[in-house]
Amino acid sequence: EPEVTQTPSHQVTQMGQEVILRCVPISNHLYFYWYRQILGQKVEFLVSFYNNEISEKSEIFDDQFSVERPDGSNFTLKIRSTKLEDSAMYFCASSEGQGNSYEQYFGPGTRLTVT
Amino acid sequence: QKEVEQNSGPLSVPEGAIASLNCTYSDRGSQSFFWYRQYSGKSPELIMSIYSNGDKEDGRFTAQLNKASQYVSLLIRDSQPSDSATYLCAVIISGYALNFGKGTSLLVTP
Repeated sequence: EPEVTQTPSHQVTQMGQEVILRCVPISNHLYFYWYRQILGQKVEFLVSFYNNEISEKSEIFDDQFSVERPDGSNFTLKIRSTKLEDSAMYFCASSEGQGNSYEQYFGPGTRLTVT
Repeated sequence: QKEVEQNSGPLSVPEGAIASLNCTYSDRGSQSFFWYRQYSGKSPELIMSIYSNGDKEDGRFTAQLNKASQYVSLLIRDSQPSDSATYLCAVIISGYALNFGKGTSLLVTP
């Protein structure tokens, strides 16, 4: 069964450093998303991406964040200058974009630890 | 602030019983509703979606939606210890962004 994959599974970085989190969405899906979950808190929406541009973003997704689809399979989240409060699980998700277009399937996540 | 509210639990049910999980949402314009299951340290796993008032059944799971009361629920029949997890209610208010509740912890005891 097709699934969303994410790398790395765990990333440790120092405050102020840049990190890139990578995702490979399900191959026939057209919409891609990033969410985060701080330990013990709820899952929060960051950004959605369709047709090579951001379609929606939350207040969390400020200028330090960016997303990119550098090729036909990968979808990346870049955090330019990490802060301690960016420590969280980051989940990539994807959805078809037609039919059951709203059903989003999540990858296993990247645990980001900022020290 | 558009909220999705869930009782944090834990909800404890014996094996074989029906577990009933509830969720309310504040935005009357919400159109799409989802239940996810999340095991500790893992990612959310989609259980069901529901878009129209009424019931939707899939195996041991039944989702119920009442838009007038702004209420969505999930029933799990014949609960198994492997169902022990946190159940997340998620709502799409506009666009495609999922707005999650904090989740209800379910414990199924043998």
